[in-house]
Amino acid sequence: DTAVSQTPKYLVTQMGNDKSIKCEQNLGHDTMYWYKQDSKKFLKIMFSYNNKELIINETVPNRFSPKSPDKAHLNLHINSLELGDSAVYFCASSRQYSYGYTFGSGTRLTVV
Amino acid sequence: KQEVTQIPAALSVPEGENLVLNCSFTDSAIYNLQWFRQDPGKGLTSLLLIQSSQREQTSGRLNASLDKSSGRSTLYIAASQPGDSATYLCAVRGPSNSGNTPLVFGKGTRLSVIA
Repeated sequence: DTAVSQTPKYLVTQMGNDKSIKCEQNLGHDTMYWYKQDSKKFLKIMFSYNNKELIINETVPNRFSPKSPDKAHLNLHINSLELGDSAVYFCASSRQYSYGYTFGSGTRLTVV
Repeated sequence: KQEVTQIPAALSVPEGENLVLNCSFTDSAIYNLQWFRQDPGKGLTSLLLIQSSQREQTSGRLNASLDKSSGRSTLYIAASQPGDSATYLCAVRGPSNSGNTPLVFGKGTRLSVIA
């Protein structure tokens, strides 16, 4: 039943490792997003995909690479993890323009 | 570039009070505005979505208003309860003259309702 699901929910890893976070939505939405919530709880857009095409790519280190194998999935791969990457990463989806967003429950990434 | 501001940053009220959370945004050409609730360590729950053509939306004890021309929205919570304690986030989609823009968030208002 879950509309937007992310895995894993928690991820603890060492500096320098490579990790991936997966996201899937079953709402039939066209557009999917990755947001980062920092230690001050501020949510900021990282990437947006519309029908598997990258449409928004904010100023994010190129160690972060999103991949969308199909309209229902958007994964986030992070290379060479750094301490500053520790945050909560949220996946979301929406239809275009005038529709609301639905968020996943988040992935808490801790880099040690 | 769209910016969203929420005031106050934190609010503590006794149970039963009515309260108002404020949100302002810099570019009034929005598609819509969405209010979310976030409990500690949890995800975002959508509370209300107001389209740019609407003035308000209501759900239970919650009422959100939108004054697009002045770039303001308020979230009114009636008869507050301890279970309302959470962070409330305001987010706008737009400006609508810039294509498929993402949701832009304020920094939230942390609400504590004291029993």
